[in-house]
Amino acid sequence: EAGVTQFPSHSVIEKGQTVTLRCDPISGHDNLYWYRRVMGKEIKFLLHFVKESKQDESGMPNNRFLAERTGGTYSTLKVQPAELEDSGVYFCASSQEGRRGLTYNEQFFGPGTRLTVL
Amino acid sequence: QKEVEQDPGPLSVPEGAIVSLNCTYSNSAFQYFMWYRQYSRKGPELLMYTYSSGNKEDGRFTAQVDKSSKYISLFIRDSQPSDSATYLCAMSLYGNNRLAFGKGNQVVVIP
Repeated sequence: EAGVTQFPSHSVIEKGQTVTLRCDPISGHDNLYWYRRVMGKEIKFLLHFVKESKQDESGMPNNRFLAERTGGTYSTLKVQPAELEDSGVYFCASSQEGRRGLTYNEQFFGPGTRLTVL
Repeated sequence: QKEVEQDPGPLSVPEGAIVSLNCTYSNSAFQYFMWYRQYSRKGPELLMYTYSSGNKEDGRFTAQVDKSSKYISLFIRDSQPSDSATYLCAMSLYGNNRLAFGKGNQVVVIP
């Protein structure tokens, strides 16, 4: 079974440009998460989709970031216009539909997209 | 105050040694406590998780959670060079919820 895939693996853009990151979750996973790691900091949550709906977008830093999940399948994260502080590694993760009880629904992570804004 | 504190200092140990890692947290509502392992240029992968307080053992790995002290630990026994990676603690309120991560510890096991 294929894991979570992300494209591109690395993107270098200039300040003010637009970049779109893509994430393909594991097939059948309803939950999709975006996280970001800025250099020297911990991985931070950005937002959570359940199917095509945004369940929690409390971690989105500002309105320059727009996330979509078409038809509950793949997701895109657009940064427009990009700023220097947006540089970092953007991770996508997916997990199965929530189960009752005490089970942790494991989040499977993709390899990340390394974004460099010059 | 950060939600999760993990001293990010690198750790270098000889093969066969015990590796001890820990995190503290501030949100007493966290119920799920995870340890993720991350190899270079890869995404984090789940190593172990614990629900609420207690210990959990999986082979050479033991995870401990002390909710009264808001302190979690990971022990790696008989460490191997293949254990060389970054170890991240993570926590969540529910089983299907956003994760709060620590900064991670880079562990190097020297043959």
